Amino acid sequence: GQNIDQPTEMTATEGAIVQINCTYQTSGFNGLFWYQQHAGEAPTFLSYNVLDGLEEKGRFSSFLSRSKGYSYLLLKELQMKDSASYLCAVRDEAGSARQLTFGSGTQLTVLP
Amino acid sequence: DVKVTQSSRYLVKRTGEKVFLECVQDMDHENMFWYRQDPGLGLRLIYFSYDVKMKEKGDIPEGYSVSREKKERFSLILESASTNQTSMYLCASILGQGAREQYFGPGTRLTVT
Repeated sequence: GQNIDQPTEMTATEGAIVQINCTYQTSGFNGLFWYQQHAGEAPTFLSYNVLDGLEEKGRFSSFLSRSKGYSYLLLKELQMKDSASYLCAVRDEAGSARQLTFGSGTQLTVLP
Repeated sequence: DVKVTQSSRYLVKRTGEKVFLECVQDMDHENMFWYRQDPGLGLRLIYFSYDVKMKEKGDIPEGYSVSREKKERFSLILESASTNQTSMYLCASILGQGAREQYFGPGTRLTVT
């Protein structure tokens, strides 16, 4: 089975840096994903990690440590529009059609 | 441009009614998924399909069934709607098992009264 944990809520200030952590315990692993979801909208893909290390994409970076079952999403130079829910998801082992198991999401509020 | 569409954004049904939620993708994707999203519980997988006429149960299939008669269309059916099925329902699709991005539809907010 899969168990994914992430904080429920976080608050940060515009222009600051915030790190959203995700820990997972899974029976199989073939990648970790981060999605962003604004209120009332569908989730949109942010990042994908399958090997250990840091993946950088503009203001957003994602880190993975497979041995620790740990990932984080780093948001730099926060903007008001970054206020959203951030979902951590783990893909099951290769060859499985089941795809993703999602965490409950972290609601980030960016304050002026 | 990638597109997953759902038949309704908002739906209100009565207890006991049969409810159909339709999802269509125009990307020739193999795999399609139905999730429900509830506060504090996140996205939970109801059913998924990896090919036409093929379906598998997700984590919470009770009270739901699905149909995939054509590759582009995946339907979620509530045989007899109950109030505990009031939720946001999200459809998603992905090209194949190794693809990176799962594309989501806009969601259907279903209220069962």
